[in-house]
Amino acid sequence: NAGVTQTPKFQVLKTGQSMTLQCAQDMNHNSMYWYRQDPGMGLRLIYYSASEGTTDKGEVPNGYNVSRLNKREFSLRLESAAPSQTSVYFCASRLRQGLGENIQYFGAGTRLSVL
Amino acid sequence: DQQVKQNSPSLSVQEGRISILNCDYTNSMFDYFLWYKKYPAEGPTFLISISSIKDKNEDGRFTVFLNKSAKHLSLHIVPSQPGDSAVYFCAALAGGTSYGKLTFGQGTILTVHP
Repeated sequence: NAGVTQTPKFQVLKTGQSMTLQCAQDMNHNSMYWYRQDPGMGLRLIYYSASEGTTDKGEVPNGYNVSRLNKREFSLRLESAAPSQTSVYFCASRLRQGLGENIQYFGAGTRLSVL
Repeated sequence: DQQVKQNSPSLSVQEGRISILNCDYTNSMFDYFLWYKKYPAEGPTFLISISSIKDKNEDGRFTVFLNKSAKHLSLHIVPSQPGDSAVYFCAALAGGTSYGKLTFGQGTILTVHP
């Protein structure tokens, strides 16, 4: 059981380039999330998808777009990368709301550098 | 505005002793709290959680305490082991229509010395 899988693990971009970070979960979870982690800042929510077919902005959505391709996959796109987007990106998923199902399960992360 | 704060960036303890990690929050709507553990080059993994209807939850060596009036929670690890060395994040959730969105603290680096 792979859980949450993120690709790629590492990426270096030049300013202005675009890329898509991929995330897939095999736990049949309804909700999926994208976070970024920066030193001294903890994890901050970029976008989330409460269920298949829906997406919404989190705390720091500027410069990003997302696609919930199907129940399994949730991708994060940087249209024109900037050095401020250098970070470690984590994807997470959660089964459903209610009944104490508040635990999110995280992927191993994508380390992105924008030069 | 940091709604969840971990004011100690790091903590160092001796193997076998107690580790106490602290977390403060400001949003009264938070009603569920989680602790995650993170090793380098890995994603955060869930450790333990507590609902606001409780003031304590235990799971083996790990206990989380919640003081709602003080808006404070703490994670106790007893006894501490070298393998516990990691970054610990507390996270909070407001129920209802929050869609499970977590608000994280900055993290505390725990080092357990043999």
